[in-house]
Amino acid sequence: AQKITQTQPGMFVQEKEAVTLDCTYDTSDPSYGLFWYKQPSSGEMIFLIYQGSYDQQNATEGRYSLNFQKARKSANLVISASQLGDSAMYFCAFHPLTFTGNQFYFGTGTSLTVIP
Amino acid sequence: NAGVTQTPKFQVLKTGQSMTLQCAQDMNHNSMYWYRQDPGMGLRLIYYSASEGTTDKGEVPNGYNVSRLNKREFSLRLESAAPSQTSVYFCASSQGSYSNQPQHFGDGTRLSIL
Repeated sequence: AQKITQTQPGMFVQEKEAVTLDCTYDTSDPSYGLFWYKQPSSGEMIFLIYQGSYDQQNATEGRYSLNFQKARKSANLVISASQLGDSAMYFCAFHPLTFTGNQFYFGTGTSLTVIP
Repeated sequence: NAGVTQTPKFQVLKTGQSMTLQCAQDMNHNSMYWYRQDPGMGLRLIYYSASEGTTDKGEVPNGYNVSRLNKREFSLRLESAAPSQTSVYFCASSQGSYSNQPQHFGDGTRLSIL
């Protein structure tokens, strides 16, 4: 069974500073994808960034980057130059890239608060 | 540019009442999902449909039924609502197996059972 763990229920960061949100996973599948979503207080789920298990480079999307360490089974989200609008819940999700891999497995989330 | 559309956005029910949550996607996705979100527990999968004509139980299926009406639509039914089913419900869709594309989510339904 797949398991996703986000060990930080809440995080605080000063505006303009960088912050790392942790995500670890447990799988025996060789091929998989890792996703990060943002959920602001308004409730919608916003896709941020994707990392494939065979990708040679760490994914980056604007101020978001993924610190992917395959051997340690971790896929930490790094937000650079934090903004007040980054205050939200952040979820990590795992998706096996297999024939039967239709499910996405979510962590319990990290609540990020950006302090002015 | 609708994406995933859920109805209704809010609903209040009395214990024992039934209702159906509707979901439709216009992205030609193969797979569709129903989740519930409770404080501190993240997203928990209720049911999913890998492709048109198939449905499977997720982590918390008890008290729910689903119907994949066609490729676009996936409904969630509460036959006899209970206070424990008070939650925010999200419908999502994705390309399906082997795909590296993300899930797309609806805006959610806030359901209260009194």
